[in-house]
Amino acid sequence: QQPVQSPQAVILREGEDAVINCSSSKALYSVHWYRQKHGEAPVFLMILLKGGEQKGHDKISASFNEKKQQSSLYLTASQLSYSGTYFCGTEFAGNMLTFGGGTRLMVKP
Amino acid sequence: DVKVTQSSRYLVKRTGEKVFLECVQDMDHENMFWYRQDPGLGLRLIYFSYDVKMKEKGDIPEGYSVSREKKERFSLILESASTNQTSMYLCASSLPGLAGGWTDTQYFGPGTRLTVL
Repeated sequence: QQPVQSPQAVILREGEDAVINCSSSKALYSVHWYRQKHGEAPVFLMILLKGGEQKGHDKISASFNEKKQQSSLYLTASQLSYSGTYFCGTEFAGNMLTFGGGTRLMVKP
Repeated sequence: DVKVTQSSRYLVKRTGEKVFLECVQDMDHENMFWYRQDPGLGLRLIYFSYDVKMKEKGDIPEGYSVSREKKERFSLILESASTNQTSMYLCASSLPGLAGGWTDTQYFGPGTRLTVL
């Protein structure tokens, strides 16, 4: 079952902050975040596990609310290089990772 | 660096043709995946494999089959291509998941843009 991402698109000025949300209707085991720049392959950002363990880049922060079955990705002091489409993927017991529809982020100078 | 390569960046085929998309990874990963990417629909899983000759259906397996005869290679087959299979196809590989999950970090190939006329 595909997770729901919000917003679908966001435009920022350099230096501004953004939050991308990912919600599921099922109890989650893990949440994965990827970024895809135009014309390129998706690249791993972060994994958040039930219970609090995380794996990912130091400059990216995210939260995982197990009770609400949702995760948020925090992009602070955005840079031009943050532009791209962000995908969350959710994993629940016995099921392979399923990706959401994506959030398009554009950072302008 | 992990490398996932796909046989073609662009492919044009005719309706009814049999199409093979090849994917090779060089990191000895157990898991391999085939996704389809269409605007607004995100990355949809077609099939995945967790070991040689083992495969599982993803969310949209209809019209596709897969083959994994060697650990490093995972092939996607369109038995009879149709125009609604025109899309970007992405292959990925990964280790098994952290603490018992299915998948750890996935490494993606550059994609094959398939057009079926």
